[in-house]
Amino acid sequence: GAVVSQHPSRVICKSGTSVKIECRSLDFQATTMFWYRQFPKQSLMLMATSNEGSKATYEQGVEKDKFLINHASLTLSTLTVTSAHPEDSSFYICSAREVSRSYNEQFFGPGTRLTVL
Amino acid sequence: GIQVEQSPPDLILQEGANSTLRCNFSDSVNNLQWFHQNPWGQLINLFYIPSGTKQNGRLSATTVATERYSLLYISSSQTTDSGVYFCAVRSNDYKLSFGAGTTVTVRA
Repeated sequence: GAVVSQHPSRVICKSGTSVKIECRSLDFQATTMFWYRQFPKQSLMLMATSNEGSKATYEQGVEKDKFLINHASLTLSTLTVTSAHPEDSSFYICSAREVSRSYNEQFFGPGTRLTVL
Repeated sequence: GIQVEQSPPDLILQEGANSTLRCNFSDSVNNLQWFHQNPWGQLINLFYIPSGTKQNGRLSATTVATERYSLLYISSSQTTDSGVYFCAVRSNDYKLSFGAGTTVTVRA
């Protein structure tokens, strides 16, 4: 149980285009999902917290108009990188918190590798 | 926010060796998780361990919350244990703060 999927796993796009990444909890409901980015040889940095049915909460320094987050259902959150530029190239990872459990363990998706040319 | 420090940053092991990874954190926590990131980037949950000791096969973990540290033990290491091991902690909100990771290389 507690499986999180992401789609696509890899995307290459031209500078100026927008890219949408989907994060799904496959076998549990997740009222809260999280989006991270990871640069090569570095740790994960939290970008934003996505709450079902409400606006996302962004970490300091993360542009909310650049990284649009939508959490339309209890099993799906999307991250859209708008007008992508080469510096947005990174590994994006989502996680979901399983609320049915008595504790708050987070489970992570396999990640999406974004390359902006 | 909470500061999380992991040591050592790099670890090279001969297959069959045992090792200990350490995670220190700067404040009291409600949650501590250990992850293994494989070469493809997938984070695999190893332990949810805000306190106490747990074991899963060749891996075990101990968290001493009052002294603000956690240890991950790898016994009889195998080449498939290679990768980056992350410790992440949560305080009063649901956000996880990650350490910088320990890169483990197990040589045959």
